[in-house]
Amino acid sequence: QKEVEQDPGPLSVPEGAIVSLNCTYSNSAFQYFMWYRQYSRKGPELLMYTYSSGNKEDGRFTAQVDKSSKYISLFIRDSQPSDSATYLCAMMRNSGNTPLVFGKGTRLSVIA
Amino acid sequence: SQTIHQWPATLVQPVGSPLSLECTVEGTSNPNLYWYRQAAGRGLQLLFYSVGIGQISSEVPQNLSASRPQDRQFILSSKKLLLSDSGFYLCATGGDRGRSSYNSPLHFGNGTRLTVT
Repeated sequence: QKEVEQDPGPLSVPEGAIVSLNCTYSNSAFQYFMWYRQYSRKGPELLMYTYSSGNKEDGRFTAQVDKSSKYISLFIRDSQPSDSATYLCAMMRNSGNTPLVFGKGTRLSVIA
Repeated sequence: SQTIHQWPATLVQPVGSPLSLECTVEGTSNPNLYWYRQAAGRGLQLLFYSVGIGQISSEVPQNLSASRPQDRQFILSSKKLLLSDSGFYLCATGGDRGRSSYNSPLHFGNGTRLTVT
């Protein structure tokens, strides 16, 4: 079983829709969870950064972590064509200089 | 805020040729530096990380090497490229020697797209 699983998509939604992106993981030691957005031919850009379980909201974006289910989500409200990108989840253990473990990314297209 | 510079943006090299990709960081001191490769369908693969000048940790044995000659400079090299070295190479920074990486998530440069022909 891979440490982090993420459906690659592609996911296509109409403008204004609510988008739900998800990752599951197997290592219960993960404590820090991140979502990155990557536009074509660009590096990943940090969107959300959360610690342990719970919700975090930033504008149209909400990150949700359920450690009991080993499941994290990113919700995008009122999606825009500019949200079209690949979204990568990432997570990290709670010790030292441990590297991030990334999902493979979900490609999202928001159609005007 | 920190800025990561990578060049070149794109590169086409023949098999067997050498490689040198450079990454420099501004706006931070003593950064942890990372090289990742992103190949289609494979996600992000950590290649090397460095917590200081001359200190390099390799995550995956391969045809590549890394060096850190200055605090904010990180170089990825190869003596002879293979077809399998093609990919999108990303430099990243996160945390510094005074803090662990979990206090500072990674920030990425805009990468170099390498095609080996």
